[in-house]
Amino acid sequence: KNEVEQSPQNLTAQEGEFITINCSYSVGISALHWLQQHPGGGIVSLFMLSSGKKKHGRLIATINIQEKHSSLHITASHPRDSAVYICAVSADKLIFGTGTRLQVFP
Amino acid sequence: DTEVTQTPKHLVMGMTNKKSLKCEQHMGHRAMYWYKQKAKKPPELMFVYSYEKLSINESVPSRFSPECPNSSLLNLHLHALQPEDSALYLCASSPAGGWGSFGYTFGSGTRLTVV
Repeated sequence: KNEVEQSPQNLTAQEGEFITINCSYSVGISALHWLQQHPGGGIVSLFMLSSGKKKHGRLIATINIQEKHSSLHITASHPRDSAVYICAVSADKLIFGTGTRLQVFP
Repeated sequence: DTEVTQTPKHLVMGMTNKKSLKCEQHMGHRAMYWYKQKAKKPPELMFVYSYEKLSINESVPSRFSPECPNSSLLNLHLHALQPEDSALYLCASSPAGGWGSFGYTFGSGTRLTVV
C-alpha cells in the first residue's frame, strides 16, 4: 500500500464545474504539499499545509490532521487547469502520491 | 527571484557521451535536490545537498555524479548512461535541509533522451 494515496486517478470535467481531488496518507508528516504539473513540464507548488485551510484564487486546499486526509478544490474550473495534480507529504523524505490527471473541456 | 532555473531544457546524448545538467537558484535556499521522473510516474529522489554538502544519495548509479559548487548552483554530471536513464530530471530547492514544514521550489526540468 502506498503511503500517499490520491483519488481519483483520472478526472474529466466541463468548464465551470467544481472539482475535488482527495489525498490520504498513512505516515506522520510535518507538512502536506499540493503540486501541479503540466504535460512534459516542471512542477509548480500550489500549497503547503500543516493545518486548516488555504485559498489562492480559485484553488482551496484543506487538511484534517486527525483523519490524515487533504482535499484540493478547484472552483469554476477552466481548460487551463488541465494538468496532473500531485499530493506530497514531508515525512522522512518528500513522499509523492501517484497524481490525479485532470482534463477540463470547454 | 523566486525561480529554480534548469538548463538545458532538452538533451539528447549517446551512451558514450559526457554531459552535465545545471540548476540554479537565487532565493538563498540552503538545500537542493535532484529528482528523476519517468512518464506518468511520481518523481524519485536521487540526491540531496544541504549547506553545499551531499546529505542523501538514494543509491544512485555512479554514472550520475552530483556537484554543488556553491549554495546557488547544483550540477548533475552524466557519463556512460543507458537508454533506461531517459527521463525528466527535476531540480528543486528549499530554505533548509531535512523534511520540515517548508515549501519546495521546483525547476521546469531537463528532458533527457539517451540514444
